[in-house]
Amino acid sequence: GQQVMQIPQYQHVQEGEDFTTYCNSSTTLSNIQWYKQRPGGHPVFLIQLVKSGEVKKQKRLTFQFGEAKKNSSLHITATQTTDVGTYFCAGLMDSNYQLIWGAGTKLIIKP
Amino acid sequence: AAGVIQSPRHLIKEKRETATLKCYPIPRHDTVYWYQQGPGQDPQFLISFYEKMQSDKGSIPDRFSAQQFSDYHSELNMSSLELGDSALYFCASSLTLHLNGTTRYEQYFGPGTRLTVT
Repeated sequence: GQQVMQIPQYQHVQEGEDFTTYCNSSTTLSNIQWYKQRPGGHPVFLIQLVKSGEVKKQKRLTFQFGEAKKNSSLHITATQTTDVGTYFCAGLMDSNYQLIWGAGTKLIIKP
Repeated sequence: AAGVIQSPRHLIKEKRETATLKCYPIPRHDTVYWYQQGPGQDPQFLISFYEKMQSDKGSIPDRFSAQQFSDYHSELNMSSLELGDSALYFCASSLTLHLNGTTRYEQYFGPGTRLTVT
């Protein structure tokens, strides 16, 4: 079936280090959305990428959509404690317009 | 700004009982989604409604049903509850916008209902 693979499952970083999560789809995506879920909270929409090769920035967050519209990444520069949470990608399938969620990457700041 | 409202926030039921979860989407949003999220898992899509009509169906068990009413609120009905149904149930709503050849429909999630089946 259609899948969106997201890696890694967890990433432990020291505060101030960078963080990256990657999503890869088996099929072409119409667009991809990114959400953040804080511990004990609900997913919150961050951004939607639509165009091939698109790059968008939100302060320390950089989102990329691959040229083939099958992969995407989220990079956080100089992580802060407020970045803690799970980051999900969700891709809209080109074929049937169904939204498929990645498994999420949990960002953990080492004490 | 108004957000998605879900009730109740917490629910404890016994096996084989029934449960009804309610969702009030953001006003003027045209689509409602239901998700189930187990501990440490990604949200599993259950079902969605566009303008009160079922639009998509995911991994919703036959024991569950949902509907959207004329006032746009939605209810998820769960019968013959099993221990494995214990999870966070999120409702989300979105407004479909067609802009510059693209479609925007970011989902706004409610706080969730934590269902515990004992």
